[in-house]
Amino acid sequence: SYELTQPASVSVSPGQTASITCSGDKLGKKYTFWYQQKPGQSPVLVIYQDNNRPSGIPERFSGSNSGNTATLTISGTQAMDEADYYCQAWDRSSVVFGGGTKLTVL
Amino acid sequence: EVQLVESGGVVIQPGGSLRLSCAASGFTFDDYPMHWVRQAPGKGLEWVSLISGDGISTFYADSVKGRFTISRDNSKNSLYLQMNSLRTEDTGFYYCAKDGERVGAFRYFDSWGQGTLVTVSS
Repeated sequence: SYELTQPASVSVSPGQTASITCSGDKLGKKYTFWYQQKPGQSPVLVIYQDNNRPSGIPERFSGSNSGNTATLTISGTQAMDEADYYCQAWDRSSVVFGGGTKLTVL
Repeated sequence: EVQLVESGGVVIQPGGSLRLSCAASGFTFDDYPMHWVRQAPGKGLEWVSLISGDGISTFYADSVKGRFTISRDNSKNSLYLQMNSLRTEDTGFYYCAKDGERVGAFRYFDSWGQGTLVTVSS
């Protein structure tokens, strides 16, 4: 079965750029989606189809996808961005999630 | 505004059965595929099942295939998950999620419910 791999944790200082990677075999040939989940809350879609932001998602969130790696980038990271982030793809009639990355802003 | 409200989560013994429900509003329900996604306490997201807008096509994660059944009643704007032969590893929050596309070669989730907690324990 298809697998997506994310780093368990990423740390960033306020105002700096955070990059969270998601790796999978030929992932660049699929669309990647990203979700943010804060403690005690449901996930929220922050990036769809590699690099599109849903309405209401701040411009500081962006995405890219090429080769075997997709990347979620948060520019000018704010304290409110501290959360778990999950990448997701669709493969052979199954939804696949990455294991999640805990973003710490400190 | 899209609203998804799950219900039916309880504490249940291993081997038991349970049906979860999700009431949807704020969009044309039968236009969209719908999903169930679960999350064990302190763990990551796990996709469970998908059903097409017309209810004809269904898909399941290997971990639940043969035990869980997804269904929908478009006349009631409702999604269901029948869970049989429950195991302790089925414990977690179960989220109802709306697909982001009516049709297409990929699936994702643009709206999520608040989740309902299923605890499988003796």
